[in-house]
Amino acid sequence: DAGITQSPRHKVTETGTPVTLRCHQTENHRYMYWYRQDPGHGLRLIHYSYGVKDTDKGEVSDGYSVSRSKTEDFLLTLESATSSQTSVYFCAIQPSGSFGNEQFFGPGTRLTVL
Amino acid sequence: SQQGEEDPQALSIQEGENATMNCSYKTSINNLQWYRQNSGRGLVHLILIRSNEREKHSGRLRVTLDTSKKSSSLLITASRAADTASYFCATDPTGGGNKLTFGTGTQLKVEL
Repeated sequence: DAGITQSPRHKVTETGTPVTLRCHQTENHRYMYWYRQDPGHGLRLIHYSYGVKDTDKGEVSDGYSVSRSKTEDFLLTLESATSSQTSVYFCAIQPSGSFGNEQFFGPGTRLTVL
Repeated sequence: SQQGEEDPQALSIQEGENATMNCSYKTSINNLQWYRQNSGRGLVHLILIRSNEREKHSGRLRVTLDTSKKSSSLLITASRAADTASYFCATDPTGGGNKLTFGTGTQLKVEL
């Protein structure tokens, strides 16, 4: 998985609780992304980062926040989890200098909000 | 949403047959990419075709791109059971920054 790890890999939580997912990369790539994957929707971009402390919203950012205080870590936070945020979350990186924005994905985090 | 759509949603074939899946998108693009996802895993990049290219090959993969119709196809020749996976197209929209827009995927099942 291209030196990308995600933690936790599985999490079950209750509605209203805060949840933080972590994406860690080992190769100091500038661009990092958080997606969610749901049946019938493919992958949808939540937030992305183009450098330390530089982040921007994606297509489905409501209810999510992100932080990137170090190049290697990109955190996704659900401030107050809802059942609609039950999903599989993928982190991705885009290698610096890549030809056409190819992305490399982590193994995913399966989140269940009860 | 600028999401692309794959067609068919699901495809079941016998080993050795060819598999064709199609992708349609809505905006002008810099390039189009295809990814594979095995069950329970992250996506893996397969092939990229630039907007000024019409066809590209990589091993058993053949990708075509028709920008006038805003569509692409992925052909897997001589399929194998190991090709069983979901396949997604992703577009790099013109002026879209370093972001990709993914389609909804085609689930391919290759049976022995």
